[in-house]
Amino acid sequence: AQSVTQPDIHITVSEGASLELRCNYSYGATPYLFWYVQSPGQGLQLLLKYFSGDTLVQGIKGFEAEFKRSQSSFNLRKPSVHWSDAAEYFCAVAPNNAGNMLTFGGGTRLMVKP
Amino acid sequence: NAGVTQTPKFQVLKTGQSMTLQCAQDMNHNSMYWYRQDPGMGLRLIYYSASEGTTDKGEVPNGYNVSRLNKREFSLRLESAAPSQTSVYFCASSEKPGLGGTQYFGPGTRLLVL
Repeated sequence: AQSVTQPDIHITVSEGASLELRCNYSYGATPYLFWYVQSPGQGLQLLLKYFSGDTLVQGIKGFEAEFKRSQSSFNLRKPSVHWSDAAEYFCAVAPNNAGNMLTFGGGTRLMVKP
Repeated sequence: NAGVTQTPKFQVLKTGQSMTLQCAQDMNHNSMYWYRQDPGMGLRLIYYSASEGTTDKGEVPNGYNVSRLNKREFSLRLESAAPSQTSVYFCASSEKPGLGGTQYFGPGTRLLVL
């Protein structure tokens, strides 16, 4: 069965600093990969996704993620964090041959210091 | 275009009571999902409906039933609520089966079972 690990439960960065959130997955083949963001009291919003092709994908709000097959990783990055980026971030995977069943990581809560 | 809507937003139940969580989407999506979110565990899939007229169990289906009433609506029923079902419940939908599940989420229902 596939699994997703987000090793960092909490991360605090200063506003304007760079950010990297880690995501590792366990799956036999290359799955579809996603990052979602959840602001307090809200549902999840898709930031970006990777299906195939260029391993560096751009998303909304200035985020990007890089798929590294050799490391089974799909880390999320942002060069300069804004206070409004404070939220919880979820990495998720889906099998590339079975449609829509997403498996989520436990989430990383991002705090931004002024 | 409201996207995915859920009712109610909040609910308090006593152990043994029943209730139905409602979900509707206006994006003409084929697939719909119910997740629960518990602290530190990310989202876990309860049930999903790949298309109108079909439903399947997810990772944590025990204690729940679902109905895909039509293409727009997918309800989740707790027949006899237990404290372990205290959680935040999210409904989601996706447009096309087989494309790795770009899912769109509703705002969630917070359920407390006493």
